[in-house]
Amino acid sequence: DAGITQSPRHKVTETGTPVTLRCHQTENHRYMYWYRQDPGHGLRLIHYSYGVKDTDKGEVSDGYSVSRSKTEDFLLTLESATSSQTSVYFCAISESSGTTDTQYFGPGTRLTVL
Amino acid sequence: GQNIDQPTEMTATEGAIVQINCTYQTSGFNGLFWYQQHAGEAPTFLSYNVLDGLEEKGRFSSFLSRSKGYSYLLLKELQMKDSASYLCAVRDPTGGFKTIFGAGTRLFVKA
Repeated sequence: DAGITQSPRHKVTETGTPVTLRCHQTENHRYMYWYRQDPGHGLRLIHYSYGVKDTDKGEVSDGYSVSRSKTEDFLLTLESATSSQTSVYFCAISESSGTTDTQYFGPGTRLTVL
Repeated sequence: GQNIDQPTEMTATEGAIVQINCTYQTSGFNGLFWYQQHAGEAPTFLSYNVLDGLEEKGRFSSFLSRSKGYSYLLLKELQMKDSASYLCAVRDPTGGFKTIFGAGTRLFVKA
């Protein structure tokens, strides 16, 4: 258990409303990631963070923003939700040392935009 | 461009051995991961290869050939609980500390 939680776990919202998903870790890892997973596409990186206030875009960042004001929290915001953002969202943290590397995932948030 | 290919689906019999292949073309390479994901759950880490060769971990082994852009995951003594999706992913250090995932291979284990 890498100590990652996501909230909420499920959310249904309407098109045009703002939505914020939270990822919380207890392991003090530097790297945190937000992915979305859709059938046929696998996991796609939305944004990632390499430290407090240090973030960068992934391959599907349009329509999303992130913030990391504390090491343990990484927030993903959909400014104005659209139906195409209906997906399962996973947060992940990364642990790397020498020749070992791994990435642990949170339990996921299932978001439905009507 | 960035591309990771793996078969969409495979079926195997309980007790048998199955090999899931993965080929990749990425801008950079700093290791290859395999993850297992059961339906409705988060991916869980299986293996990480950064050097060529075979890494064995119980019933699961992972192989890497960097010169060929190729990896495989070998599952031995298959059990029904091994029915899941298996995700191949490459750590690409160019442009940030990112991981690129393939679409996954759904493995069905039948009795």
